[in-house]
Amino acid sequence: DAKTTQPPSMDCAEGRAANLPCNHSTISGNEYVYWYRQIHSQGPQYIIHGLKNNETNEMASLIITEDRKSSTLILPHATLRDTAVYYCIVRGYNTDKLIFGTGTRLQVFP
Amino acid sequence: DGGITQSPKYLFRKEGQNVTLSCEQNLNHDAMYWYRQDPGQGLRLIYYSQIVNDFQKGDIAEGYSVSREKKESFPLTVTSAQKNPTAFYLCASSIAGQGAPGANVLTFGAGSRLTVL
Repeated sequence: DAKTTQPPSMDCAEGRAANLPCNHSTISGNEYVYWYRQIHSQGPQYIIHGLKNNETNEMASLIITEDRKSSTLILPHATLRDTAVYYCIVRGYNTDKLIFGTGTRLQVFP
Repeated sequence: DGGITQSPKYLFRKEGQNVTLSCEQNLNHDAMYWYRQDPGQGLRLIYYSQIVNDFQKGDIAEGYSVSREKKESFPLTVTSAQKNPTAFYLCASSIAGQGAPGANVLTFGAGSRLTVL
């Protein structure tokens, strides 16, 4: 599985867009990018995933660069409840397990 | 509502005792997973199972054991051989394992926090 690199922490003002970057420069052609988040002392929650096209759902948008070496998770209007650790994970087509790193701790402030 | 139920939420154990953490899902998912999380750290994979009566070791399986006798259940036993068992344990499930990337979205339980006294 490709390794991912995320900043350890970020801040965002409530109501503003939160843009969380992820580098995955060794990603291969059949590997998907997944995003999860974990609110303190809870189980992680799935947010979104994508292969090469940009994706959007009710929670967030995922922007993947054309060369697929990096991606950005966008929370368009961050709220205090979005304060959490966000994990970017790359998973291969022939791999049956997700490997979590240490993620980015997003702090949304009033 | 469908979901994953982990029990107990909090558990205290004396050194040298085995303890079993329960994980039950009613999502009709094929694959189930156990992760361990230490304070300030990411999740580490202990064991996973794609089908009933079959399971594989993850990255930190030593000192743990599992069984998968039913599709809905994947209990984890923390044995006395686990030298540092105090941690937050998370169970997860997904529709399918290998070969179905679009369906491999994990649903997690609320976790079980084990403390060794």
